[in-house]
Amino acid sequence: GQQLNQSPQSMFIQEGEDVSMNCTSSSIFNTWLWYKQDPGEGPVLLIALYKAGELTSNGRLTAQFGITRKDSFLNISASIPSDVGIYFCAGFSSGSARQLTFGSGTQLTVLP
Amino acid sequence: GAVVSQHPSWVICKSGTSVKIECRSLDFQATTMFWYRQFPKQSLMLMATSNEGSKATYEQGVEKDKFLINHASLTLSTLTVTSAHPEDSSFYICSARPWTGGSQNTQYFGPGTRLTVL
Repeated sequence: GQQLNQSPQSMFIQEGEDVSMNCTSSSIFNTWLWYKQDPGEGPVLLIALYKAGELTSNGRLTAQFGITRKDSFLNISASIPSDVGIYFCAGFSSGSARQLTFGSGTQLTVLP
Repeated sequence: GAVVSQHPSWVICKSGTSVKIECRSLDFQATTMFWYRQFPKQSLMLMATSNEGSKATYEQGVEKDKFLINHASLTLSTLTVTSAHPEDSSFYICSARPWTGGSQNTQYFGPGTRLTVL
């Protein structure tokens, strides 16, 4: 099925650095969701975006719904060790509002 | 926030036995629940969509007779892996979508169930 293009696939950063990851699609999305998954756990919803151009923050996390409705990014500021995990973008497209489409994930490693 | 639970969190069974996994939305009603399978270092793969009071919708390639889904109430869906074999060993995750009247769609995930078939 359809999948979102998520990049980068993995990141190794120093503690305290900022992080940016993004997702793109060839089709229009009505909703963008960002999840974090720790090993052996289910994904946890971080931020939900519902309007083109919307910029939403959750603590050190900020995500934006692209104006074209075909992309979204997630920024993490001042990273800490507990930010380690896999981050997934996901969304509901205009053509499939009932089924969530996932990105391939970004594996984040924070070095002390 | 919305909480989804899964039980058991892990299970080990012998080949040929059946295993039932429960998914519950604890503080909201979900007319729709989803079952995913995840292999190591990969994204989630949708197996089926579970609708309360009706038959589940299975994704292409997923055997409905092997993965039985029951959505008996607005807060509970079950996945039964029948006659499990080692290749069924995986991480199974459910999710639930709160009814919002059609706006502001989102999905909340359970903590997952690790199935190991010996």
